[in-house]
Amino acid sequence: EAGVTQSPTHLIKTRGQQATLRCSPISGHTSVYWYQQALGLGLQFLLWYDEGEERNRGNFPPRFSGRQFPNYSSELNVNALELEDSALYLCASSLGRGAYGYTFGSGTRLTVV
Amino acid sequence: KNEVEQSPQNLTAQEGEFITINCSYSVGISALHWLQQHPGGGIVSLFMLSSGKKKHGRLIATINIQEKHSSLHITASHPRDSAVYICAGRGEYGNKLVFGAGTILRVKS
Repeated sequence: EAGVTQSPTHLIKTRGQQATLRCSPISGHTSVYWYQQALGLGLQFLLWYDEGEERNRGNFPPRFSGRQFPNYSSELNVNALELEDSALYLCASSLGRGAYGYTFGSGTRLTVV
Repeated sequence: KNEVEQSPQNLTAQEGEFITINCSYSVGISALHWLQQHPGGGIVSLFMLSSGKKKHGRLIATINIQEKHSSLHITASHPRDSAVYICAGRGEYGNKLVFGAGTILRVKS
């Protein structure tokens, strides 16, 4: 069974540009979560999508947005990139809104120069 | 004060030693997760538990709901166990995880 896949693995962007990160959950998982791990900082919750809807949002500015597609894959968009957006972005999926376990992807390392 | 606190922050052990990493949380949670992060960033979910104890190979996780405390134990540690171990509380309402800062474990041969 394929795990959670994220693309691209690495992404280099210039300040002010937009970045799009993608996540494909495990087959059958309807919930997708996005987390940010900035250098020297812990993991921070970004967004949670379930059944195509945004269910919860962390303490991030509106230029962090995303969506979930009918096949439950998800995109994270970061507009007007700032240097401090450089981080590892991790996606996780679970079966749904209940107390299910998470499976994490390997992450996308975004570097803003 | 962070909602999820881990100790120790750094841990160096000799191969074969018994290792304990502690996690305390100050908020209500529906479950607690233990995660392992290797260099390069990939995260593996080790355990999800809401009561009692779980065991997988040389790893054991326990949780005491009344004391809001969980421990991760590694028996017969090995250099390949070297990683960052992160505990995370899953909120009672909604599914977001609140993470501890992580424990950097290094097992020397």
